[in-house]
Amino acid sequence: DVKVTQSSRYLVKRTGEKVFLECVQDMDHENMFWYRQDPGLGLRLIYFSYDVKMKEKGDIPEGYSVSREKKERFSLILESASTNQTSMYLCASNSGETQYFGPGTRLLVL
Amino acid sequence: GNSVTQMEGPVTLSEEAFLTINCTYTATGYPSLFWYVQYPGEGLQLLLKATKADDKGSNKGFEATYRKETTSFHLEKGSVQVSDSAVYFCALVNKGGSYIPTFGRGTSLIVHP
Repeated sequence: DVKVTQSSRYLVKRTGEKVFLECVQDMDHENMFWYRQDPGLGLRLIYFSYDVKMKEKGDIPEGYSVSREKKERFSLILESASTNQTSMYLCASNSGETQYFGPGTRLLVL
Repeated sequence: GNSVTQMEGPVTLSEEAFLTINCTYTATGYPSLFWYVQYPGEGLQLLLKATKADDKGSNKGFEATYRKETTSFHLEKGSVQVSDSAVYFCALVNKGGSYIPTFGRGTSLIVHP
């Protein structure tokens, strides 16, 4: 079975802190994705990566950056966390049409 | 561009009731269609999919048929259980592209005993 893991299930940070969310997949997938999920808005794509060191902006990249130094790992970085970044963050990967998701990280920024 | 429209929730049903969650789409080309389910506190997981017109995807008693003429992929289940309470997402992926899905906003299903 494909497994996508995220470093934390719950995270509480202060405004202005630098935040790292880590995601690891174990199926050698080329593509990896970061989404945020908010009530009434569904899933919104922040960034995706189709190869090591490659990244593309999604629909809402402002305030975020990403890093993919190894094929299995895709990190989301909040350079200076703000309260409007309080959300559920979901990582996903695929090498075909089906996406495989991690369990999510619920981030609270105070 | 691509878009997916789902009925807004929550959908509230009693156990053993019939479920329909509507999903319509617009797409360039001929997409594959998906239903994902998100149980409380978890990420999304694939429920079923269909890759071409008139295909029926099915899993765990859920079914959906790819209707090209009505650009729809409605999710149905004949008899829901409390354990089906979750958020359901309809999605499409264009074939031969970069496999970036377009998701609907999700429909919350609440099943009462």
